[in-house]
Amino acid sequence: DGGITQSPKYLFRKEGQNVTLSCEQNLNHDAMYWYRQDPGQGLRLIYYSQIVNDFQKGDIAEGYSVSREKKESFPLTVTSAQKNPTAFYLCASSIQGTEQYFGPGTRLTVT
Amino acid sequence: AQSVTQPDIHITVSEGASLELRCNYSYGATPYLFWYVQSPGQGLQLLLKYFSGDTLVQGIKGFEAEFKRSQSSFNLRKPSVHWSDAAEYFCAVGDSNFGNEKLTFGTGTRLTIIP
Repeated sequence: DGGITQSPKYLFRKEGQNVTLSCEQNLNHDAMYWYRQDPGQGLRLIYYSQIVNDFQKGDIAEGYSVSREKKESFPLTVTSAQKNPTAFYLCASSIQGTEQYFGPGTRLTVT
Repeated sequence: AQSVTQPDIHITVSEGASLELRCNYSYGATPYLFWYVQSPGQGLQLLLKYFSGDTLVQGIKGFEAEFKRSQSSFNLRKPSVHWSDAAEYFCAVGDSNFGNEKLTFGTGTRLTIIP
């Protein structure tokens, strides 16, 4: 079955550590996205990538980094510079100009 | 800049009753509009979308939405809700100038169904 996978579902880290969230898709979509979801705030765009080896900052990119070395993969690193990293992170993909499809999400807790 | 307002944070509806979730957007040109549904701890599932054409859009699970340009609205409706419809619903507007890469989401409406 085609889809988007995010791993792990739950992730726990100590403050000051970098952590990388995985996102893989087998839908052959060109575009991929990372969103952050906090209670009562909807989804906010962190980074997006329209093609391999290219990506753009979204609305809240500070403290995050990404790479897009393969079409299928778009990992997100939450760095120690991110002041409030505890959140639910959602990855999505799309064919350009069409609707976005979402993965199941990763809940990151930093203590 | 585009924006989306979902004025109802939480709605409670009896099973079998009709439902309307409100969505108002702000966007300069013709928007791309979406409704997504999210169950607790899960990702988002697309219910329906509007890009152009017929302003009444049919989606999955018996949902529909109507694009009203004069009111800048894209309200979601269902004639008879089921207990399984309990979830959080998000309206989103896409920026057609960017090929729809930049979606702006509303803050969501949580739907509770009572027997």
